[in-house]
Amino acid sequence: DGGITQSPKYLFRKEGQNVTLSCEQNLNHDAMYWYRQDPGQGLRLIYYSQIVNDFQKGDIAEGYSVSREKKESFPLTVTSAQKNPTAFYLCASSIGQGNNEQFFGPGTRLTVL
Amino acid sequence: DQQVKQNSPSLSVQEGRISILNCDYTNSMFDYFLWYKKYPAEGPTFLISISSIKDKNEDGRFTVFLNKSAKHLSLHIVPSQPGDSAVYFCAASDTSGTYKYIFGTGTRLKVLA
Repeated sequence: DGGITQSPKYLFRKEGQNVTLSCEQNLNHDAMYWYRQDPGQGLRLIYYSQIVNDFQKGDIAEGYSVSREKKESFPLTVTSAQKNPTAFYLCASSIGQGNNEQFFGPGTRLTVL
Repeated sequence: DQQVKQNSPSLSVQEGRISILNCDYTNSMFDYFLWYKKYPAEGPTFLISISSIKDKNEDGRFTVFLNKSAKHLSLHIVPSQPGDSAVYFCAASDTSGTYKYIFGTGTRLKVLA
């Protein structure tokens, strides 16, 4: 049963702490993406990766970091430098070439206390 | 600078009638467009797409129209059903470059029974 998994569903952290959000896919997709959704706003791109060991900053990369050591995994670290980390985070993947859609995971709701 | 705009934050439609959701874009390099449906606290799910070489694509109750000269696309849902109540996002991509997708801010559709 192919798909994208994100864990945990809900995450709480204290201000000043780093936290890592997990994203795994078994769709054999080359490209993976991280988005952030805030109320009244669309999905804003944080980072994306088109192949293993390579990634690029999106529109709002400040305060975040990623790695892409394996094709299946694209973890996102929210650092203490991110000023407004409370949000709904979505991971997605796509084949990566040509016209094709992105498949999304269920999301992680991060709340900073 | 919002490259993809959904100017109607919400829309209410009677069950059985047509729902029309609109989306405008500014970047003439966009050549692939997608519509996603999203329920609260879940990841978006892909609905339908259209390439810039077409002006219409149909899939069951869903039809997407593209007007390249006006840089405008619309999603028609006929007939609308209560289960269609969700937030709808349009997205655009320039597939000649990186595999980035730019999302609009979404339109919340409510189908009234």
